[in-house]
Amino acid sequence: GEDVEQSLFLSVREGDSSVINCTYTDSSSTYLYWYKQEPGAGLQLLTYIFSNMDMKQDQRLTVLLNKKDKHLSLRIADTQTGDSAIYFCAEREEGSQGNLIFGKGTKLSVKP
Amino acid sequence: ETGVTQSPTHLIKTRGQQVTLRCSSQSGHNTVSWYQQALGQGPQFIFQYYREEENGRGNFPPRFSGLQFPNYSSELNVNALELDDSALYLCASSPQTSYTGETQYFGPGTRLLVL
Repeated sequence: GEDVEQSLFLSVREGDSSVINCTYTDSSSTYLYWYKQEPGAGLQLLTYIFSNMDMKQDQRLTVLLNKKDKHLSLRIADTQTGDSAIYFCAEREEGSQGNLIFGKGTKLSVKP
Repeated sequence: ETGVTQSPTHLIKTRGQQVTLRCSSQSGHNTVSWYQQALGQGPQFIFQYYREEENGRGNFPPRFSGLQFPNYSSELNVNALELDDSALYLCASSPQTSYTGETQYFGPGTRLLVL
């Protein structure tokens, strides 16, 4: 079945870049998403990329997609303490009825 | 703020009881999906409703059921609660059925604890 894998933890210093990685198994995935979850809160959509793209940039966020390797990454430039949260990668396969498949999340800790 | 609201924010129930969770979709969104997020895990898809009909279901037993109303608000009902049902329940709304790939916007969730 479909599976989304992420590393569980990442620690960076304030001002550095953060790179969060994700691998997925479903080659028919059409959209791939990054969501952010702060403690005790719901999911905030950060960005998404369509499977026919290989890069998308949105202010401090850069998403890279390697469809051949089924690898997705999220780069956060100039990471701030307010970026500390859990980041979820999610995929949606073509034709699915809204079933987003999430990874377990990467906890990003930003040290001052 | 996504415009998606959920109630209640927290709930404590005992094993065997029934619970109803509520979600109000973002204005103009006619599709709602429900997810269960256990502690330390990513959300898992329960089901989706589009124009008041169930439009897809994940690997959850029939004691998880839902409703969507004409105003596109939604309910998740869970019967015969089990300890493993303790989780954060998230609803997400989107403008139309997800065949078009419309993005889902999540509410803040309801945290359910089953004792």
